[in-house]
Amino acid sequence: QVQLQQWGAGLLKPSETLSLTCAVYGGSFSGHYWSWIRQPPGEGLEWIGEINNRGSTNYNPSLKSRVTISVDTSKNQFSLNLMSVTAADTAVYHCARLAFRLGRRPHNWDFDLWGRGTLVTVST
Amino acid sequence: QSVLTQPPSVSGAPGQRVTISCTGSSSNIGAGYDVHWYQQLPGTAPKLLIHGNSNRPSGVPDRFSGSRSGTSGSLAINGVQAEDEADYYCQSYDSGLGGSRVFGTGTKVTVL
Repeated sequence: QVQLQQWGAGLLKPSETLSLTCAVYGGSFSGHYWSWIRQPPGEGLEWIGEINNRGSTNYNPSLKSRVTISVDTSKNQFSLNLMSVTAADTAVYHCARLAFRLGRRPHNWDFDLWGRGTLVTVST
Repeated sequence: QSVLTQPPSVSGAPGQRVTISCTGSSSNIGAGYDVHWYQQLPGTAPKLLIHGNSNRPSGVPDRFSGSRSGTSGSLAINGVQAEDEADYYCQSYDSGLGGSRVFGTGTKVTVL
């Protein structure tokens, strides 16, 4: 059974860089896109971006200038870097898998597997 | 600010039918992009409930159903149960501003 395990620093100061990593265990890494999604406390979900095993990325335009998602295929891991954080970046950050659905365009893929989430707090 | 609008809350007595709307526009649902639905129980990660407008993954009870029409999607729970009390989010793709996967504003389902 495929599992996503994520980790990273949970407390940052303003202007620092958020760094999280997600490891994929028990299943195929290639052939999927892998995403980061965040949820501020008490609020809704926001897609941050995605990457595939070849390093091809797509980012949320509202975060694109500060976000880098990278992949390490040798370890079946992908990572999120978010620069210059502020209090507005305080959220639970989830890694997730985009399901490859045969016959469906990539824009129509869904998130079929989620990590448990990491709370990242930005505070002085 | 989300481009997909959901009612903040819906409620129903056990056994009743409840529905949740997801209203978009011509750059997302109205452009033909699929609607997916996720259930988030308190303190847990979201779980895929419906994909491709109306498809249930294995293990999802058949009381959950989804549909899409025009610029909106809809999730129905036929015979809501106490364990269905959770937050529900729709999700699609929006072609505006360079393209982005987008989520709805979320709906809290309360079982009375």
